[in-house]
Amino acid sequence: SQQGEEDPQALSIQEGENATMNCSYKTSINNLQWYRQNSGRGLVHLILIRSNEREKHSGRLRVTLDTSKKSSSLLITASRAADTASYFCATDADTNAGKSTFGDGTTLTVKP
Amino acid sequence: DTGVSQDPRHKITKRGQNVTFRCDPISEHNRLYWYRQTLGQGPEFLTYFQNEAQLEKSRLLSDRFSAERPKGSFSTLEIQRTEQGDSAMYLCASSLARIRSPLHFGNGTRLTVT
Repeated sequence: SQQGEEDPQALSIQEGENATMNCSYKTSINNLQWYRQNSGRGLVHLILIRSNEREKHSGRLRVTLDTSKKSSSLLITASRAADTASYFCATDADTNAGKSTFGDGTTLTVKP
Repeated sequence: DTGVSQDPRHKITKRGQNVTFRCDPISEHNRLYWYRQTLGQGPEFLTYFQNEAQLEKSRLLSDRFSAERPKGSFSTLEIQRTEQGDSAMYLCASSLARIRSPLHFGNGTRLTVT
């Protein structure tokens, strides 16, 4: 079974709006990462947040982590049609950020 | 193109046949991973190598599955006696052997077992 669960499963918004996706996990972690996947393609790494960090920014992305609630959120601001993709959170039990446990993803559709 | 490449992109095979997939990682990456992804799900970890050594295998990797990385560069994943439940996208990824080094994924091999 997967460690992370994303919420919502699907999200549809208009271009220019913000998109927020949430991830909950069950066991303690070392890092949490967010990846993006376009249909039929591999995953692309977006951002990594360490367990001792609470918030991280990268361009239009903002990630928060609340280890007491075992949850994370990914905010995409000023969304674009090109942001349409599936977004996955991945948790790492140790410092090997490659041996990750992925959630089932949120499918984001941004309408132009 | 210096990304991770996988071959073939698609494979259709009959149940009971053997199949082999190849992955060429980013050249300076010494870690290589295999993941499996079914429709609507996230990727599931199968196994990983550091150089030519296979360091970990998931319990998902039954004895019909074998992965190799003979010279520490490209890797192959073989599935023997395929079953319909093996139908999935098989993703390869590579990374540096540094803490918190993220994965770089290939575009996967989609396997359909009929």
